[in-house]
Formats: sequence, C-alpha cells, structure tokens
Amino acid sequence: DAGITQSPRHKVTETGTPVTLRCHQTENHRYMYWYRQDPGHGLRLIHYSYGVKDTDKGEVSDGYSVSRSKTEDFLLTLESATSSQTSVYFCAIRGTGFGNTQYFGPGTRLTVL
Amino acid sequence: AQKITQTQPGMFVQEKEAVTLDCTYDTSDQSYGLFWYKQPSSGEMIFLIYQGSYDEQNATEGRYSLNFQKARKSANLVISASQLGDSAMYFCAMREAPKEKTSYDKVIFGPGTSLSVIP
Repeated sequence: DAGITQSPRHKVTETGTPVTLRCHQTENHRYMYWYRQDPGHGLRLIHYSYGVKDTDKGEVSDGYSVSRSKTEDFLLTLESATSSQTSVYFCAIRGTGFGNTQYFGPGTRLTVL
Repeated sequence: AQKITQTQPGMFVQEKEAVTLDCTYDTSDQSYGLFWYKQPSSGEMIFLIYQGSYDEQNATEGRYSLNFQKARKSANLVISASQLGDSAMYFCAMREAPKEKTSYDKVIFGPGTSLSVIP
C-alpha cells in the first residue's frame, strides 16, 4: 500500500462543466502521475509532476491541466469536460525501491454526459 | 508505433494449471525496465513483478515469474498453479530511461490480456 487516495471515486457531470480530481499521497513521493484508462488503450499518461509546482505534459494532455502546490496533493482539472473525457482516471506515484515501480491509486470513474 | 504488444486479448486457464501471458516490446534503449500489473474486476492496478534490462536472471515473485528474452524483446508473465483469484486483466509495461533534458522516465502500457481461470 503506497498510501494513495483519490477523490471523488465516482463522478457524473455534464458537458462543458469544469471538474477537478484530487490525488493525495502520504509518503512524500516526489514523482506523481495522472493516467486515463480506456478500453483497448491500456493506460495513457495525461500529466506528471516531478516536484512541487513542477509539472509537465504527457501524451494525452489536451483539455487537462494540473497543479501541485504541496508534495502530497496532485490535482487534475478538466477545464470544460467533454464526452470524450469519460474514462477511468488513475493517479500514480513512483516508488524509490528496486525498479522505481509506479504504484497506483484506486481510480476515479468519470462520466461526462 | 506500438511499443508494447500483448497479442492475447483473452485467455482461459484451468485452475491449478500454469499459464503464460505474452508481452513483446520495442525499444532502442539499452537501459529499461519491464513491469506487469494485475487489474481485477474491482478496478485497482496491482504491481506484480519487475525486470530490469541488465538483470541476468528472470524475476520471480511467489507464483509469478517473468520469462525475459532480451534478444527477442519479450517479457512473458508466467503464473504457476492458477487460482480463481487470478482472473483479471494483466498489463505489461515498459519504462525507458529519461531522455536528455527531461526528467521524465516514460512508462508505456500495453493494451492488456484478460485472463479467466476456470474451476
């Protein structure tokens, strides 16, 4: 257990509304990641962070922004939600042990109507 | 181009039998890491096993082992003595070393293989 929580766990929203997902970790990990999971695509990286206020884009960043004002919190914002952003969103941290393995939070299921 | 290929979208195995889930990867890096994750129907992503590209021995973790064939660029997961609780999606992933001027060690996931264990 890497001490990662995500909130909310489920959300239904309407097209055009802003949505913020929160990832919280308790073990002071430097690197944090946001992925989305869609059938047939595995996981795809949206944004990542390599420290407080240090973030960068992943492969599917359009329509998303992130913020990290504290080590423990990494926020993902959908500025104006679209139906194509209906997905399961996972937060991850990079561990410091053998392999620097990524460990994942429980996920947030987002539905945009 | 697809960097991680998992050619078996779905597989069945009899309980207590062994099963191999295939994974091939594409990289020009010499230093990289390979991972397998399990995703049960409850949805969480569970880390199973890691293999580094310079590791000479195949990784093992309990009933899981990784059959690493570097020249063939394959990293197959072997599950011995399958249990009903092994029914899940399994994802192969690869981490490439950070490129110059970036701090990001990119992890790429395959599309997954669905494993069903039959009693």
